[in-house]
Amino acid sequence: EIVLTQSPGILSLSPGERATLSCRASQSVRSGFLAWYQQRPGQAPRLLLYGASNRATGIPDRFSGSGSGTDFILTISRLEPEDFAVYCCQQYGSSPLTFGGGTTVEIK
Amino acid sequence: EVLLLESGGGLVQPGGSLRLSCAVSGFTFSNYVMSWVRQAPGKGLEWVSVITGSGESTHLADSVQGRFSISRDNSRNTLYLQMNSLSVEDTAKYYCAKVDGSAYFFDFWGQGTLVTVST
Repeated sequence: EIVLTQSPGILSLSPGERATLSCRASQSVRSGFLAWYQQRPGQAPRLLLYGASNRATGIPDRFSGSGSGTDFILTISRLEPEDFAVYCCQQYGSSPLTFGGGTTVEIK
Repeated sequence: EVLLLESGGGLVQPGGSLRLSCAVSGFTFSNYVMSWVRQAPGKGLEWVSVITGSGESTHLADSVQGRFSISRDNSRNTLYLQMNSLSVEDTAKYYCAKVDGSAYFFDFWGQGTLVTVST
C-alpha cells in the first residue's frame, strides 16, 4: 500500500499569499496518477487536480500541480478567502487507492 | 448537473448492520464505476469499496473485507453499501463518489451520511 504523507499539517497564510503544499509517497506513484481535493468545513471533497497537474472542470488557474514519482506539489498562487480549507492528495496508480492525511490552509 | 445523495446512516450498536444508499442523477449511471469513501471524525479520507458500471466486479478495502458489500441497481440509479458486523472503528461519514471515466480518481462526491457505531 502506498502511504501518502502531506506537509505541512497546517499552513497559516494571509489572503493574497502563495500556498505550497507537499504530498510525498512511500513509493513511486505510477504514471503520476495523483489527484488533489479541496474540502471546506462541512462539505464534501471537491476534485481540484488529477494526473498531478491537470485542473478539473471549473477549477481556477490559481491552482496548479506538479511532481512525479514520489514528490508532488499543489500550489495556490494567490489565496482567495474561499481557498482556506483542507487539501488532500490521493494516488490512483495502484491498489488500494490511498489518501494523504491532509493539509489545513488557515487564515493567519 | 451531477447529484449524489446518500442516505441510511445513523446510530447502530457494535455488531449491528446498516445499509447505505446513494441516489444519483445527472449522468448515465450504468456507464461509470462508483465508490464509497469514508472519513472518521477528525481524520483523513479512506477508500472503502468500488464497483464497476455493470456491477460484475467489486473490490473492498482490507479493513472492511468480509463485513461490507457494495452493490448497485442501475435501473434505479442507486448505489448501495451493506455494512455488517459494525465496530466503533467504522464510525465515519460515508461518501458516495463517482469515479472518473478515465482513471480511479473521484470527480463528483455526495454530501455524505454519518454512521455512528456506539453502545
